[in-house]
Amino acid sequence: DAKTTQPNSMESNEEEPVHLPCNHSTISGTDYIHWYRQLPSQGPEYVIHGLTSNVNNRMASLAIAEDRKSSTLILHRATLRDAAVYYCILRDPNSGNTPLVFGKGTRLSVIA
Amino acid sequence: NAGVTQTPKFQVLKTGQSMTLQCAQDMNHNSMYWYRQDPGMGLRLIYYSASEGTTDKGEVPNGYNVSRLNKREFSLRLESAAPSQTSVYFCASSEVFGGTGELFFGEGSRLTVL
Repeated sequence: DAKTTQPNSMESNEEEPVHLPCNHSTISGTDYIHWYRQLPSQGPEYVIHGLTSNVNNRMASLAIAEDRKSSTLILHRATLRDAAVYYCILRDPNSGNTPLVFGKGTRLSVIA
Repeated sequence: NAGVTQTPKFQVLKTGQSMTLQCAQDMNHNSMYWYRQDPGMGLRLIYYSASEGTTDKGEVPNGYNVSRLNKREFSLRLESAAPSQTSVYFCASSEVFGGTGELFFGEGSRLTVL
């Protein structure tokens, strides 16, 4: 699977929108973009995934660049509970024997 | 609905001791995984089981063995613990292996090897 690049850390004020970037310039046409987050002292949890079109769910929105070489996870109103490490992961669903591979992610701090 | 349950949550071992981390899921998932996470690092895959009856090595399998006991349970064994195995261990499951399926994680087992 192709590699992703994320900033090590970001900071946001509570109740403001947060845009978490992810670069994946070597993405293939069949790679899906997955986002997970890991709250302190917990296991990761699924946030959202997409292929080409922008996606929305109750937790977040995923904006995918037209050339698919980058994407942005958008939290519309950050809360203190959103402080976590956010992982951007690429995976080809037809890639056979390769499970999700987690990098170091972006540590998001939310300031009250 | 408990999801993925790991036991124990905390364990301290001496070098050379053995132990087994237990993981059970109640979602009827086919695939299960063991990851480890060292301080400030991302998760690294140790072993996985794509379906009942199969297991495969991940990125960092050395020093570990696994057993897929049945569809619900996937255990991780440290035969002779070493300080380098001090870590937080996460078990995860997914409905199928591959595809775009979501992984569900347990809360983690914190292991210290002295």
